[in-house]
Amino acid sequence: DGGITQSPKYLFRKEGQNVTLSCEQNLNHDAMYWYRQDPGQGLRLIYYSQIVNDFQKGDIAEGYSVSREKKESFPLTVTSAQKNPTAFYLCASRLGGAGNQPQHFGDGTRLSIL
Amino acid sequence: KNEVEQSPQNLTAQEGEFITINCSYSVGISALHWLQQHPGGGIVSLFMLSSGKKKHGRLIATINIQEKHSSLHITASHPRDSAVYICAVNPNAGKSTFGDGTTLTVKP
Repeated sequence: DGGITQSPKYLFRKEGQNVTLSCEQNLNHDAMYWYRQDPGQGLRLIYYSQIVNDFQKGDIAEGYSVSREKKESFPLTVTSAQKNPTAFYLCASRLGGAGNQPQHFGDGTRLSIL
Repeated sequence: KNEVEQSPQNLTAQEGEFITINCSYSVGISALHWLQQHPGGGIVSLFMLSSGKKKHGRLIATINIQEKHSSLHITASHPRDSAVYICAVNPNAGKSTFGDGTTLTVKP
């Protein structure tokens, strides 16, 4: 079955450490997105990519980096510059970048500070 | 003021009750998306609509483009409907904007 796979499900980060969250999709979707969710708050866009080898900053990109070397993969690195990384991270994809296609979501990665 | 406002923030109902969750938005949109987030965190798409009404089983979604308002209804609610329901709008520019969610608890 096609879908989006995020790994790991749980991740712990030490002070000063970079960590990378994986997101893979086999839906042949062009656009991919990373969101951060804090308790009681809506999803906030970190980065998005509408095509391979291209990506744009979202609303809260500081302290994060991404790459889009392959259509099916959009990894997110949480760098040591992100001082409050504890949150739930969701990856999503969409067939096209236009707004009339639904987003499909992964099951999320929960990141905590050690 | 958020571009997408959901109400109520929290909702508790008895099994069998009719549920309504509201979503108001302030931007022009190409479509509106209703999502369900389970306690484990995974998100499932319920409906995407740009006009009128859609129905799937016990769920009904309506949208009024002129009033910039959408509602999600659940008929004959069941404890397994307990989840967070999220409204997302897709502005004409393409990026989605999400409401803060409505936490629904259905008691047996």
